[in-house]
Amino acid sequence: AQTVTQSQPEMSVQEAETVTLSCTYDTSESNYYLFWYKQPPSRQMILVIRQEAYKQQNATENRFSVNFQKAAKSFSLKISDSQLGDTAMYFCAHLGGLRYNFNKFYFGSGTKLNVKP
Amino acid sequence: DAGVIQSPRHEVTEMGQEVTLRCKPISGHDYLFWYRQTMMRGLELLIYFNNNVPIDDSGMPEDRFSAKMPNASFSTLKIQPSEPRDSAVYFCASSSQGRPDEQYFGPGTRLTVT
Repeated sequence: AQTVTQSQPEMSVQEAETVTLSCTYDTSESNYYLFWYKQPPSRQMILVIRQEAYKQQNATENRFSVNFQKAAKSFSLKISDSQLGDTAMYFCAHLGGLRYNFNKFYFGSGTKLNVKP
Repeated sequence: DAGVIQSPRHEVTEMGQEVTLRCKPISGHDYLFWYRQTMMRGLELLIYFNNNVPIDDSGMPEDRFSAKMPNASFSTLKIQPSEPRDSAVYFCASSSQGRPDEQYFGPGTRLTVT
């Protein structure tokens, strides 16, 4: 079964500081994708960052970077220089490999991030 | 590109009424997905289509839910009859063949069944 676990329901960080959101997943596939999506109060699902499992290098997008530990099935998101606009729900997601249907996303339960001024 | 378009953005209806949610995928995308988001169950995939054909509807909760995609640019999710527990945000998303990792979400429809 494909499962994604986010163990931190809510987190807070001061503006300009760094915060790390945790995510673990379960899969028996060797080829898959992992994602972090941001959902602000507007409800829009916004892709933050994407990681391909066969790539060892951790993905980065400006202030957002991941720590991908394939053996441990861990995929954490680090937000540097946090901004008030980063306040949102963050969802970790897994896109399965060929065996589990390459088009099905599995989402974690989300982490609510509050950036305080 | 206008992105994935959903209508209505908000829907309030009474229990027992029929509800129809609409989605227009991004032009050229041949995969379309319907998701439901609730506090209790999070974000869950209901059904997805490839080239207008339903591929996996294992997430559809029960027979009251049905989805159609009559053409490449339009899909509907219908609930008949609606119940209060159907209250949720329903998202439509689309992607293209060969790029399943690029799934674009619509703004969602917030459904409230009273």
